[in-house]
Amino acid sequence: DGGITQSPKYLFRKEGQNVTLSCEQNLNHDAMYWYRQDPGQGLRLIYYSQIVNDFQKGDIAEGYSVSREKKESFPLTVTSAQKNPTAFYLCASSIGLADVDTQYFGPGTRLTVL
Amino acid sequence: DAKTTQPTSMDCAEGRAANLPCNHSTISGNEYVYWYRQIHSQGPQYIIHGLKNNETNEMASLIITEDRKSSTLILPHATLRDTAVYYCIVRENTGNQFYFGTGTSLTVIP
Repeated sequence: DGGITQSPKYLFRKEGQNVTLSCEQNLNHDAMYWYRQDPGQGLRLIYYSQIVNDFQKGDIAEGYSVSREKKESFPLTVTSAQKNPTAFYLCASSIGLADVDTQYFGPGTRLTVL
Repeated sequence: DAKTTQPTSMDCAEGRAANLPCNHSTISGNEYVYWYRQIHSQGPQYIIHGLKNNETNEMASLIITEDRKSSTLILPHATLRDTAVYYCIVRENTGNQFYFGTGTSLTVIP
């Protein structure tokens, strides 16, 4: 099946620990994105990458880091510097740099920091 | 910043058409209108998009007014599985970000 996978679905961490969320796609998409969603809110962009070994900050990048070493993978690390890390995290991908560039989303990872 | 305005919530009877409105009065000439929906605790699902012509696919129809300042998503025969939050988004065709507002929470009633 083609698509975007995120693992795990639920993740619990103690305050002060870094945690890495996985995102993999087999759609051969160049662009990948990370969003954060808080209860009752829309999605906010954390980081995006349009090509391997390159990424840009979104609106709320503070306290997060990413890497893009492979086309199909875009892991997100939530660091201890992120003040309110408990949220629903969504990864997306798109063809990239196209006139119509529809983003397709993974199932999400719900992170709870205790 | 979200550039769209949608009602907070709507109800629709099962089997009837669900018409979800969206205002985007500041839309510019190269911005597309996208619709996504999100079922609770899942990732958003792409529904449809358009620039100025009406569009139809297997999921829905998108009607865009001639001045492009508003649009309506139509689910022709709503089912209980269509209960979700529906997001209307306007985006430049070369932009990187979808600005999701709070959307419309559609409840399909048996």
